Amino acid sequence: DTAVSQTPKYLVTQMGNDKSIKCEQNLGHDTMYWYKQDSKKFLKIMFSYNNKELIINETVPNRFSPKSPDKAHLNLHINSLELGDSAVYFCASSPLGGGRQETQYFGPGTRLLVL
Amino acid sequence: AQSVTQPDIHITVSEGASLELRCNYSYGATPYLFWYVQSPGQGLQLLLKYFSGDTLVQGIKGFEAEFKRSQSSFNLRKPSVHWSDAAEYFCAVGAGGNKLVFGAGTILRVKS
Repeated sequence: DTAVSQTPKYLVTQMGNDKSIKCEQNLGHDTMYWYKQDSKKFLKIMFSYNNKELIINETVPNRFSPKSPDKAHLNLHINSLELGDSAVYFCASSPLGGGRQETQYFGPGTRLLVL
Repeated sequence: AQSVTQPDIHITVSEGASLELRCNYSYGATPYLFWYVQSPGQGLQLLLKYFSGDTLVQGIKGFEAEFKRSQSSFNLRKPSVHWSDAAEYFCAVGAGGNKLVFGAGTILRVKS
């Protein structure tokens, strides 16, 4: 009955590879997010989607491409992985989205290590 | 630009002692404030939030936080710390458009 789930939990890969991280929420929320937590534990938003529409797109290399097949899923595809992409990636969701601040519920994180 | 400062990188308290974790924010409008906790190898769990109303908010696990507009602070407190509270604590401010800006975190160690 996990609310926000991510797969895989751990991902170890070589530089230059392409990988995807999947996120699913069963809360019936309309908005989903991707955050990156770097080695210094600093959390920063990357993207958000509301009902499959891109809402927030921070300054992120275009090697990162989010995809939302439906409002319960938000996947993150990363092309040509670099060492600096090593981080923990968190997915989150909130009920409605839009301009009004809401509580965001986070997944367990995906720990990506690029060698 | 919105920002959150957590001045203490590490804090160590004895089990049973009281705890206060500091958080200062910079935001032009009325802030929406959050505290999350991250246990080792785990995701982020919401402890409590402030949107409006009573400036003293109660959260889960016996935590509370007080919003002080004059000091731009939202400090987290607990009267008696348990060993299971050892974790990293993040303060965040809603930066508009449902974007959260996080502080750098405070690592809490509990000694027995």
